[in-house]
Amino acid sequence: DTGVSQNPRHKITKRGQNVTFRCDPISEHNRLYWYRQTLGQGPEFLTYFQNEAQLEKSRLLSDRFSAERPKGSFSTLEIQRTEQGDSAMYLCASSPDNSPLHFGNGTRLTVT
Amino acid sequence: GNSVTQMEGPVTLSEEAFLTINCTYTATGYPSLFWYVQYPGEGLQLLLKATKADDKGSNKGFEATYRKETTSFHLEKGSVQVSDSAVYFCALRSNDYKLSFGAGTTVTVRA
Repeated sequence: DTGVSQNPRHKITKRGQNVTFRCDPISEHNRLYWYRQTLGQGPEFLTYFQNEAQLEKSRLLSDRFSAERPKGSFSTLEIQRTEQGDSAMYLCASSPDNSPLHFGNGTRLTVT
Repeated sequence: GNSVTQMEGPVTLSEEAFLTINCTYTATGYPSLFWYVQYPGEGLQLLLKATKADDKGSNKGFEATYRKETTSFHLEKGSVQVSDSAVYFCALRSNDYKLSFGAGTTVTVRA
């Protein structure tokens, strides 16, 4: 068990650019989640995969956001035409079925 | 909808002091309740959990009891250490798979 791995750890980008984050869940965890955390707040749910199927997307996830989990293993979260309001910590978590979530260390995005 | 309200911080304590962080929730159905901890520079880690009313979760000297009648899940530790300095998040999961988190409480323990 190597834990949930997220890359990159930090990303600084200019407004209007596209960014992509990667999450490698714990192997054999069929559930994968993306959350967003802003300063002074708890994590907010963005989206959820069971294997390769994306089963729910939060209304927080605008059309500029897209997430994929091809083959039910790693996942990517892409933000197009970034805005300053997208600056946050993006957290990935995984779990086997209904067990507690295991979180990665997150990717901190700064949009200038 | 589901929501979690936890005590605002920051909380500053001396070593060996008693710590309580209040957490109340609103949920449909019968949620599972969790405390997660985030140490400086690290990711969220599960601290303890309780899945039904009157269950007590415990770990690393921390305890929390699931109180359905008061919809609460307060976190307590009898004697804190400097290494307990962290941000603590109360969370619930209702009949689906999503976790709903509180805003977090920053705890600083001074030697």
